[in-house]
Amino acid sequence: DTAVSQTPKYLVTQMGNDKSIKCEQNLGHDTMYWYKQDSKKFLKIMFSYNNKELIINETVPNRFSPKSPDKAHLNLHINSLELGDSAVYFCASSRMSRDYNEQFFGPGTRLTVL
Amino acid sequence: QKEVEQDPGPLSVPEGAIVSLNCTYSNSAFQYFMWYRQYSRKGPELLMYTYSSGNKEDGRFTAQVDKSSKYISLFIRDSQPSDSATYLCAMITGGFKTIFGAGTRLFVKA
Repeated sequence: DTAVSQTPKYLVTQMGNDKSIKCEQNLGHDTMYWYKQDSKKFLKIMFSYNNKELIINETVPNRFSPKSPDKAHLNLHINSLELGDSAVYFCASSRMSRDYNEQFFGPGTRLTVL
Repeated sequence: QKEVEQDPGPLSVPEGAIVSLNCTYSNSAFQYFMWYRQYSRKGPELLMYTYSSGNKEDGRFTAQVDKSSKYISLFIRDSQPSDSATYLCAMITGGFKTIFGAGTRLFVKA
């Protein structure tokens, strides 16, 4: 059983296009995240939702818009794709805690913008 | 200066070697310290976590935190080819925002 799943796994598209990535978790977690990992493997938080409410919104271009229809799903829509958007995008989920939380990551979506 | 600094490597060692991976950080508010392992073309997975200073051991892995020096380490004993992966340190002040290091790529040669 896949705990955190993402679709698609690979996405190749032209500059200027709009695309969406979907994420689903079946762990019963209440918090979900989007991370961007660049070619140097640096993993950077983009957004986080807790119970469908946006709680982390890092300095990310407005072209990126997350949407959480329910606690188990978090989607990422990207408008007007640019070359610099090429990266691996990871979805993760965790249980909200005042202290420590373990994040479970999906397999990633490898986005290539041509 | 980044909040968390980690040498990206790559680090190449022979099988059976002791591996030492390290991170330094600048934010003294960090309380929880984690190590994630990421195999090629996979998502990161939690390997170990520690709270505050001290050591924690789990099989061949030992995590060490020195809050006075703002320095954390992960030691791998008797390294195996299957340990070849990228190791990311991560830190959290409490709650939900985790800051990751850049990751160190480790290669263990048979």
